[in-house]
Amino acid sequence: EAEVAQSPRYKITEKSQAVAFWCDPISGHATLYWYRQILGQGPELLVQFQDESVVDDSQLPKDRFSAERLKGVDSTLKIQPAELGDSAMYLCASSSTYGNTIYFGEGSWLTVV
Amino acid sequence: GQQLNQSPQSMFIQEGEDVSMNCTSSSIFNTWLWYKQDPGEGPVLLIALYKAGELTSNGRLTAQFGITRKDSFLNISASIPSDVGIYFCAGLRTSGSRLTFGEGTQLTVNP
Repeated sequence: EAEVAQSPRYKITEKSQAVAFWCDPISGHATLYWYRQILGQGPELLVQFQDESVVDDSQLPKDRFSAERLKGVDSTLKIQPAELGDSAMYLCASSSTYGNTIYFGEGSWLTVV
Repeated sequence: GQQLNQSPQSMFIQEGEDVSMNCTSSSIFNTWLWYKQDPGEGPVLLIALYKAGELTSNGRLTAQFGITRKDSFLNISASIPSDVGIYFCAGLRTSGSRLTFGEGTQLTVNP
């Protein structure tokens, strides 16, 4: 069964350092999402791509977060500089073009110390 | 912020019991999705509902899309220990729009 691939699974970084997460969506899925999930809460959308274009980044803290999907396939989410409050799980998800069934990857756990 | 009210927040049940949880909203959604999340893992899609009134089953799980399009229900029959986890409802207003999540229901099953 096709899956959304994410790496790394776990990352510990010191505050003020840079960190990056990678996602490879299900093959053929044009829509890609990055969510952040704080322990005990539901995921919240950071950024949504349709192919290589950003369609929603209203919740992305753009002073320190950036996301790209240069060729419209895999994507990278970067945080620079990392802050203690960024400790969370970062989830990537994908769906077919404007699809209404969204599949998540296993997530990347970030701990900022 | 989140706009879906999910209840109960947590449930402690005995193995073999049936479980019900629900999600309500003040606004209409056109798609309801139910996910299960194990500790340290990403959410896994259990059931997707696309039409008001729709009742869909996946093994021991049954979910319904409310007629008003403002609510959804998930039932688990004859619970087993591996049902333990957090169950999230999520709604989509339109295809391609932002997925809104409920706060989750933490399920504990005692053998």
